[in-house]
Amino acid sequence: AQSVTQLGSHVSVSEGALVLLRCNYSSSVPPYLFWYVQYPNQGLQLLLKYTSAATLVKGINGFEAEFKKSETSFHLTKPSAHMSDAAEYFCAVSERRGNQGGKLIFGQGTELSVKP
Amino acid sequence: GAVVSQHPSRVICKSGTSVKIECRSLDFQATTMFWYRQFPKKSLMLMATSNEGSKATYEQGVEKDKFLINHASLTLSTLTVTSAHPEDSSFYICSARIPGLPYNEQFFGPGTRLTVL
Repeated sequence: AQSVTQLGSHVSVSEGALVLLRCNYSSSVPPYLFWYVQYPNQGLQLLLKYTSAATLVKGINGFEAEFKKSETSFHLTKPSAHMSDAAEYFCAVSERRGNQGGKLIFGQGTELSVKP
Repeated sequence: GAVVSQHPSRVICKSGTSVKIECRSLDFQATTMFWYRQFPKKSLMLMATSNEGSKATYEQGVEKDKFLINHASLTLSTLTVTSAHPEDSSFYICSARIPGLPYNEQFFGPGTRLTVL
């Protein structure tokens, strides 16, 4: 069965500092991987997705993530945090095939705070 | 493109009443939609997969008689919380897939905040 683990329910960084949000997955077959961002009382917005075209994936708002099969990880990074990056971030996994119907399995979420 | 809307954005109801939440794909046809529930400071819990023209597939532990899902058209799925109780208060989010689009990407609605008094 697939699963996603996000290490750290809350991460706090200073404005301008590196952002690193950790995600590890478990899947019996090579998965699709996603990072979503959620602002308070809103739905989810896709930041980026891994589809096997390239292990380093660039997304919106300066975020990127690297797929590391050997580590079963898909950590999200941004070189310089902005105040507007403060939000909840979710890592999600989906199987490429099988009868899962394209379901997404979400991690527990990481709340990112950005200090001035 | 790929915009999903939900209505209402916020609803307050009395215990025992039923509440209907609509999920619409505005600029594409969605054969598959998903309904999630999110508790405060928690992740999204998939409740059910809604398929146009057929019965929804509910996740284990979700009461299908409590949470009625209807996907009557290619652009509309509805979630009805029947005989709502305070413990049903939550943030409900729907999502939709574009048929044929690879990678199982889902497009999310803005969510509906349900408060049951």
